[in-house]
Amino acid sequence: EPEVTQTPSHQVTQMGQEVILRCVPISNHLYFYWYRQILGQKVEFLVSFYNNEISEKSEIFDDQFSVERPDGSNFTLKIRSTKLEDSAMYFCATNKGLAGGETQYFGPGTRLLVL
Amino acid sequence: DAKTTQPPSMDCAEGRAANLPCNHSTISGNEYVYWYRQIHSQGPQYIIHGLKNNETNEMASLIITEDRKSSTLILPHATLRDTAVYYCIVRISGGYQKVTFGTGTKLQVIP
Repeated sequence: EPEVTQTPSHQVTQMGQEVILRCVPISNHLYFYWYRQILGQKVEFLVSFYNNEISEKSEIFDDQFSVERPDGSNFTLKIRSTKLEDSAMYFCATNKGLAGGETQYFGPGTRLLVL
Repeated sequence: DAKTTQPPSMDCAEGRAANLPCNHSTISGNEYVYWYRQIHSQGPQYIIHGLKNNETNEMASLIITEDRKSSTLILPHATLRDTAVYYCIVRISGGYQKVTFGTGTKLQVIP
């Protein structure tokens, strides 16, 4: 069964550094999402992406965040200047987007630790 | 999206059916009931969804009341690997609707 994959599984970085989290969506899916989960808290929506542009973003998704699909396969989340409070699990999700294809499938996540 | 209410925690004996309730009294006619689970900080895993008819797949059954104000997820023979947080989510149909997670029900399967 096709799966969403994410790399790296773990990332440790220094505050102020840039990080790029990568996701490979399921091949025929058209809609892509990033979510995050701070330890012990709920899974929170960050951004949705379709047809090479952002469809919706949350208040969390400020100017330090950006997303792109640079090569038609990977879907990336860039955090430009990391802060301590960016430490969290980051999940990518994708769905087909066609009628009957609304179910989102999540990747295993990237654990980001900002020191 | 309509709000859902779930018990914060439940226990279930291994091998028995786990019945997880969810109230969604403000659900609209075009909103589906989705269930996901999250095993210890892994990515949320899709389980099942339905609109108004009961649904069954290889993982679980979903029973939706006739008035659609509540539903029950049934894991027919719970195993220790089913220990997880289970999320009941109501969301409208549409290609790019985000999933809004609540706090879910922490299901502990006991040997």
